[in-house]
Amino acid sequence: DIVLTQSPDSLAVSLGARATLNCKSSQSVLHSPTNKNYLAWYQQKPGQSPKLLIYWASTRESGVPDRFSGGGSGTDFTLTISSLQAEDVAVYFCQQHYSSPLTFGGGTKVEIK
Amino acid sequence: EVQLVESGGGLVQPGGSLRLSCAASGFAFEDYAMHWVRQAPGKGLEWVSGINWNNGGIAYADSVKGRFTISRDNAKKSLYLQMHSLGVEDTALYYCAKDRLPTVAALDAFNIWGPGTMVTVSS
Repeated sequence: DIVLTQSPDSLAVSLGARATLNCKSSQSVLHSPTNKNYLAWYQQKPGQSPKLLIYWASTRESGVPDRFSGGGSGTDFTLTISSLQAEDVAVYFCQQHYSSPLTFGGGTKVEIK
Repeated sequence: EVQLVESGGGLVQPGGSLRLSCAASGFAFEDYAMHWVRQAPGKGLEWVSGINWNNGGIAYADSVKGRFTISRDNAKKSLYLQMHSLGVEDTALYYCAKDRLPTVAALDAFNIWGPGTMVTVSS
């Protein structure tokens, strides 16, 4: 099974500052035939269901603000919030959809400093 | 509006059974792979099971293999999870989720999630 390790566990960032979240995979999730990384990022606000932010490691889902960006390839990935807003307080999860069983990282909690 | 709504959760004793349902609306349910994902109180997300569009491809997490059965009824636009031999470790909010694209393999990001149904296993 592919293990995803997220870091840090929690992050306190000032309003308007940059937040960088990491996700490391135990195996490459790069799908060679399509040259796409099968890695997604989700945001889960308190009391809500998860919401898809990023798929294929760097493609923003429709309607997601452009302050959210994804990067990386192979086994190392990042989610960056370029200018943190109050409404971005949430737990962020990465997920690999490269192979079964699909797996999630443990999550990073983002708070306001 | 694209929507998923889970039902069937509740309190069950250890060793008991429960059947969860997920009603889909607003999209061509029969074209998409579907999944169950659970979240224990205060914990992270755990993928439980997935099924492709025509019941031809089914997969389970090791933690539920042999105890849970996923199925779907495309005519009723519904997804199901039959759970047997429930243990306290199965206590969680169970979400139904939809693949982003109508592909053959159930290997995609999940772009629609339901609000979840809570399963509590306790004596």
